[in-house]
Amino acid sequence: DTAVSQTPKYLVTQMGNDKSIKCEQNLGHDTMYWYKQDSKKFLKIMFSYNNKELIINETVPNRFSPKSPDKAHLNLHINSLELGDSAVYFCASTPGLAGRQETQYFGPGTRLLVL
Amino acid sequence: AQSVSQHNHHVILSEAASLELGCNYSYGGTVNLFWYVQYPGQHLQLLLKYFSGDPLVKGIKGFEAEFIKSKFSFNLRKPSVQWSDTAEYFCAVNFNDYKLSFGAGTTVTVRA
Repeated sequence: DTAVSQTPKYLVTQMGNDKSIKCEQNLGHDTMYWYKQDSKKFLKIMFSYNNKELIINETVPNRFSPKSPDKAHLNLHINSLELGDSAVYFCASTPGLAGRQETQYFGPGTRLLVL
Repeated sequence: AQSVSQHNHHVILSEAASLELGCNYSYGGTVNLFWYVQYPGQHLQLLLKYFSGDPLVKGIKGFEAEFIKSKFSFNLRKPSVQWSDTAEYFCAVNFNDYKLSFGAGTTVTVRA
């Protein structure tokens, strides 16, 4: 009965590879997010989708491409991985579009290590 | 520019001690305020939130926070911590837009 799930939990890969992280929520929420948490634990939003439409696209290299096949899924594909991409990536969701006063429900995170 | 700052990077205290974590933001308009907690090996979860009304809000596990508008602050408090409060604590602010901006987090270590 996991609310927000991510796969894989751990990902170790070589520089230059392409990888994907998947996120699914079974809460019936309309909006999903990707956050990056760096080695200093700083959390920064990357993308947000509402009902499969992109609504937030922060300053992120275009090697990162989100895809939302339906409102319950938001995947993150990363091309040509670099050392600096090593981080923990969190998926989250909120019930509505605005998300201003809504609690964000986070997934367990995906630890990505680029060698 | 809008920003969120947490003053304490790492706080170490003993069980039964009182805890206060600072959070300040820079923005003159309406904000929505949150504290999230990340226990070791777990995902982030909401501790408490403030949108309007009584500036003293109570959350789960005995935590509370006070919004002081004149100081642009939303400090988190707990009168008596337990070993199980060891975690990473994040202040987050919604600056009346579609996203949350997080502070850098405070690591709290409670010694038994």
